[in-house]
Amino acid sequence: EAQVTQNPRYLITVTGKKLTVTCSQNMNHEYMSWYRQDPGLGLRQIYYSMNVEVTDKGDVPEGYKVSRKEKRNFPLILESPSPNQTSLYFCASRLLGAGGRDTQYFGPGTRLTVL
Amino acid sequence: GESVGLHLPTLSVQEGDNSIINCAYSNSASDYFIWYKQESGKGPQFIIDIRSNMDKRQGQRVTVLLNKTVKHLSLQIAATQPGDSAVYFCAENQGGKLIFGQGTELSVKP
Repeated sequence: EAQVTQNPRYLITVTGKKLTVTCSQNMNHEYMSWYRQDPGLGLRQIYYSMNVEVTDKGDVPEGYKVSRKEKRNFPLILESPSPNQTSLYFCASRLLGAGGRDTQYFGPGTRLTVL
Repeated sequence: GESVGLHLPTLSVQEGDNSIINCAYSNSASDYFIWYKQESGKGPQFIIDIRSNMDKRQGQRVTVLLNKTVKHLSLQIAATQPGDSAVYFCAENQGGKLIFGQGTELSVKP
């Protein structure tokens, strides 16, 4: 089954404690992306990657890091989480060049709470 | 500034009725638009898309209409079912980057 998986699904942590949210896709997609979803603000892009070893900032990259060492994985790293990073996070992947269409698949989401 | 927004944050319809969800966009340079459905506890799911050289596109029970003159996008769901209850987002594709609206919550009454 084609899917994007994220782990963990739920996480409660404290300020300053480094954490990583993993994302993996099994569709051999080149493009992967991280979004955060907040009430009243919708989905905002954090980082994206066009392919292995290629990453770029989205709209709200501050406080986050990513890496793309393998095509299937795109972890999101919070080196020193702060309460304003409490949010619902979505990973997504997409096949590039699909006739210009956005065939983007989203993961199930990770609900992060930073105390 | 650029924005993609929705006219109504919530919409309640009777089962079997048609639903219309609206979206306004401000960037006339956008050439591609998508509607997503997000059910509770899940990630957004692609419903239907439309390119700016079209004004209407139909899928199974769904139709997207694009009015470039007034920068307006709508999603029509025919014979709305309880399983259609979700938040619906429009998104604007600008050079591969998606800009999402805040979403409209559709509630279907039995």
